[in-house]
Amino acid sequence: LAKTTQPISMDSYEGQEVNITCSHNNIATNDYITWYQQFPSQGPRFIIQGYKTKVTNEVASLFIPADRKSSTLSLPRVSLSDTAVYYCLVGEGRDTGRRALTFGSGTRLQVQP
Amino acid sequence: GAVVSQHPSRVICKSGTSVKIECRSLDFQATTMFWYRQFPKQSLMLMATSNEGSKATYEQGVEKDKFLINHASLTLSTLTVTSAHPEDSSFYICSARDDRFIEKLFFGSGTQLSVL
Repeated sequence: LAKTTQPISMDSYEGQEVNITCSHNNIATNDYITWYQQFPSQGPRFIIQGYKTKVTNEVASLFIPADRKSSTLSLPRVSLSDTAVYYCLVGEGRDTGRRALTFGSGTRLQVQP
Repeated sequence: GAVVSQHPSRVICKSGTSVKIECRSLDFQATTMFWYRQFPKQSLMLMATSNEGSKATYEQGVEKDKFLINHASLTLSTLTVTSAHPEDSSFYICSARDDRFIEKLFFGSGTQLSVL
């Protein structure tokens, strides 16, 4: 399974854009990149998923360069409620069966007023 | 969106007793479910993969006789912590993969187990 590397923590202020980059140098051809958000004492919540280029939904954007060895989660105009741990996971492409996703250390985002 | 229901959300038990945690996919079928545990301020650690109709696959270091997993239907998996001890106190999280969209994993809200 592809190993991921993220910054351990990040700080931001309300209203700013936050970009969290994840490295996954040994990503496989069929692997998708998925980001989850976790609040204390809650299960992870799906944020966004992509395979290549750019994906955007109502809460975030995901930028994936052509070599797919990294990805960047972009959170526009963060608020205090975005304070959480963000996990980047790689794996489980359509043809790779039903392997579990392995969690890395995650990035602890702290948003200040 | 897809919903995974996990119960109970919190349980306190005495040492030596067994605790069952349920994980249900409410609006989709899930042939495969996963169980994780998480200690404070740490990441999620995969314990086992639960497959409907077959034996679970446990990760290295996870005792299968202590953490019994049953996946009797396409919407329900249970984790039973047998003869619980204080060191089993942790946050247990289940997840389920929608059979129609296997790229996505949906998580339950977690169960905080405290063993006295």
